[in-house]
Amino acid sequence: KAGVTQTPRYLIKTRGQQVTLSCSPISGHRSVSWYQQTPGQGLQFLFEYFSETQRNKGNFPGRFSGRQFSNSRSEMNVSTLELGDSALYLCASSLGGYGEQFFGPGTRLTVL
Amino acid sequence: EDKVVQSPLSLVVHEGDTVTLNCSYEVTNFRSLLWYKQEKKAPTFLFMLTSSGIEKKSGRLSSILDKKELFSILNITATQTGDSAIYLCAVVSGGTSYGKLTFGQGTILTVHP
Repeated sequence: KAGVTQTPRYLIKTRGQQVTLSCSPISGHRSVSWYQQTPGQGLQFLFEYFSETQRNKGNFPGRFSGRQFSNSRSEMNVSTLELGDSALYLCASSLGGYGEQFFGPGTRLTVL
Repeated sequence: EDKVVQSPLSLVVHEGDTVTLNCSYEVTNFRSLLWYKQEKKAPTFLFMLTSSGIEKKSGRLSSILDKKELFSILNITATQTGDSAIYLCAVVSGGTSYGKLTFGQGTILTVHP
């Protein structure tokens, strides 16, 4: 079974731009969660989608948004990029419920 | 606000040593606790714990949960250099069927030959 895939793997943007990241979950998984990982803050929860609906949201500004499609693929968008948005963005999929989540390789975003 | 605290933050040992990593938590609507290992890429799943006192074991790694005292430990026996990684503890919480993970800061384990 193929794992979680994320594209692109690396991105370099400048302040003020916007970016869209993509995540394809493991086949059969309907829940997709997004996390931001930085050296200072560790792994922080952004939001979770299940069946195209956002079920949970972390404490991030409205510049961070996402969506999920009918095939469970998910996208995350960050508008008006700031230097502090530089991070590894991880997507994780699960069957839903309270079980384990499986992570993709991440997208490394650098904002200059 | 949900909180997960891991200790120690970093640990340096020699091959063959046994290590114990700690994870304490304060969350509402606890559902499960997960341990992950992160090397240079994405976290890889190790264990999921939902019940107190039941040890989960995989090779040289084992973990147990205490829901009364709100903590978990991850033990690694006979450590090897390949165990060098960041070990992350995460708690699944939530009142709906769809949990969110709250992660601890991680423990950086370095195993010297």
